[in-house]
Amino acid sequence: DIQMTQSPSSLSASVGDRVTIACRASQSISNYLHWYQQKPGKAPKLLIFGVSNLPNEVPSRFTGDGSGTDFTLTINSLRPEDFGTYYCQQSYDAPYTFGQGTRLDIK
Amino acid sequence: EVQLVESGGAVVRPGGSLRLSCTASGLRFDDYGMSWVRQAPGKGPEWVSGINWDGSSPGYADSVRGRFTMSRDNDKNSVYLQMTDLRAEDTAFYYCARLTDGSTGPYNWFDPWGQGTLVTVSS
Repeated sequence: DIQMTQSPSSLSASVGDRVTIACRASQSISNYLHWYQQKPGKAPKLLIFGVSNLPNEVPSRFTGDGSGTDFTLTINSLRPEDFGTYYCQQSYDAPYTFGQGTRLDIK
Repeated sequence: EVQLVESGGAVVRPGGSLRLSCTASGLRFDDYGMSWVRQAPGKGPEWVSGINWDGSSPGYADSVRGRFTMSRDNDKNSVYLQMTDLRAEDTAFYYCARLTDGSTGPYNWFDPWGQGTLVTVSS
């Protein structure tokens, strides 16, 4: 199975900050990397697909980058509603595995 | 708007069985593959199973293969997860999610997800 490792596991940042979350795959996954945001008590929600593509409803302050094994999610100009837990996920090969998550708290 | 609604979660004893359902609306259901993803309390999501648009080639995580069976009924816009020989480690919220296209192959992502249904395996 492809292991997905996120860092950091948690972080706290202030409104207006830029935040970066890293995700590393145990083998190359091309561009088959997606990000989800989860709020407490809710289902995960797609944030970015195919490394850097945003669904229509996702604000442009979210950006994704990377290739091969190393990927990043960056939130520019953090807003209060961005708190939650972020997960990366690979769909290169089944089983389609997730990272362990990064919990983002707003100071 | 695409909506997915899961049902069937319950408290069940170890070794027991349960059938989860997920009904979709707001989409042409037979255009899409579907998946089940679970999330134990306080843990990250875990892909459980996926099925093609026509019900072919269901795939399973090693942790559930041989115990869980995924199926679908396109006339009812529904997918199902039949779970047998349930174990304490199967305790989780179970979400159904739509895939990107009709197959379960690579370059698929999960969008949207249902609200989830809770399965608790406990004596």
